[in-house]
Order: sequence, then C-alpha cells, then structure tokens
Amino acid sequence: ETGVTQTPRHLVMGMTNKKSLKCEQHLGHNAMYWYKQSAKKPLELMFVYSLEERVENNSVPSRFSPECPNSSHLFLHLHTLQPEDSALYLCASSQGQGGEEQYFGPGTRLTVT
Amino acid sequence: GENVEQHPSTLSVQEGDSAVIKCTYSDSASNYFPWYKQELGKRPQLIIDIRSNVGEKKDQRIAVTLNKTAKHFSLHITETQPEDSAVYFCAASVLGGGSNYKLTFGKGTLLTVNP
Repeated sequence: ETGVTQTPRHLVMGMTNKKSLKCEQHLGHNAMYWYKQSAKKPLELMFVYSLEERVENNSVPSRFSPECPNSSHLFLHLHTLQPEDSALYLCASSQGQGGEEQYFGPGTRLTVT
Repeated sequence: GENVEQHPSTLSVQEGDSAVIKCTYSDSASNYFPWYKQELGKRPQLIIDIRSNVGEKKDQRIAVTLNKTAKHFSLHITETQPEDSAVYFCAASVLGGGSNYKLTFGKGTLLTVNP
C-alpha cells in the first residue's frame, strides 16, 4: 500500500484557486501517469512521463499542468478549474516504457466549487 | 489507436455463483491484457493478467481466457464471495511497445455479489 502515495487525499477548491497534487512512487519505476476517474466513466489517461520526459498529453486542457522533477515524483498543478473537473485523480507508475502493469496510488478526490 | 469494449457494465450474482466479464479489443498488435479490481473508495489493483502467447491463465478462483483470433478476452470468477464485489476493469496494451506507453482501459463492470 505504500508503493505509490498521493497527497492530498481530498481537496476542495474554488474556481479561482491554484493548487497542486503530488504523487510519489517508491518502486524504482521509470514511468508515471496521471488519470482522471469520473463517476460512471472509464479511466481517462491525462499525462504520461517516461524518465522524466513527457511522452503523452492526451488533449488535456491547459488548466491542468503536469511536472515531473525526477523519476520518483509527479505533480499536477491546477488553476482556474471548472466544476466538471471534480473527480478522482489517480497517479500510477510502471517499471518500463511499454504498457506493462501499472501500480496506482490511492487518488486525490477533488471537488471544484 | 486501441479501443477496448467491456460488457456488461453491471453484474449481480448470488454468492457461490460464477461471474463472467467480457472485453474486446481492436488493435491486433496488443499482446498484454491485465484485469484490475477497484473496491469502493480504493485504488485499482491488478488481479490477473495474460499475455498473448497463452490462451488461459488461472489463479485460484480467478481465470482469464484470451482468443486472439476473435480479439476478445474474458475474466471468470468462480464461487463468488461478497468480498468480490467491486468494479473490474480490463485493459490492453503492447508490451515493449516503444512509444506506446498506454494501457487502454475498458469502461468497467460493477460486480455485486449478494449474500
């Protein structure tokens, strides 16, 4: 349960706020991911980082800004969000660079008011 | 890109019965098919996976089958228990796919096991 951690676990923010989500993996993995999980929707891949380089930006609005300072840490900076951005944001990591098992963090439950 | 369809979206069974969840995929290059279980309020966790060089894999009460020709794979849970109640996601990817880092997930199946 401590392989991938996320903070905060819950976040309520107004539409004019700026906040950041943090993810840390302790597994020595090389790739990290951000997913959005909304009610009754599939897991939506947002960003992929491999060896600290962004390799995928899945048409995500610019109000979401990722940062990967090293292979163990991943951030998601949030600003001027909309109520429809309320969701569970999941971080994940994997060993290599080719679609294998991903280990998920517990998620941050985000509510935009 | 890959497209994964999952059915049914909800499944309710009596304790002790079997449950089957089916997925289809579109990319014939996909060769890795994991299944994740997400209990209410918890993170998705891998429960079983299968690679394209085998047709079936079992782990106690859980089994996965793969038909590469038809491009579909299924999760089978036997002797279901209330603790099996969760959302199950199938996924597909190309292992070692170079620039393809993605697991493409199905929409999930909410399984409810009634005692």
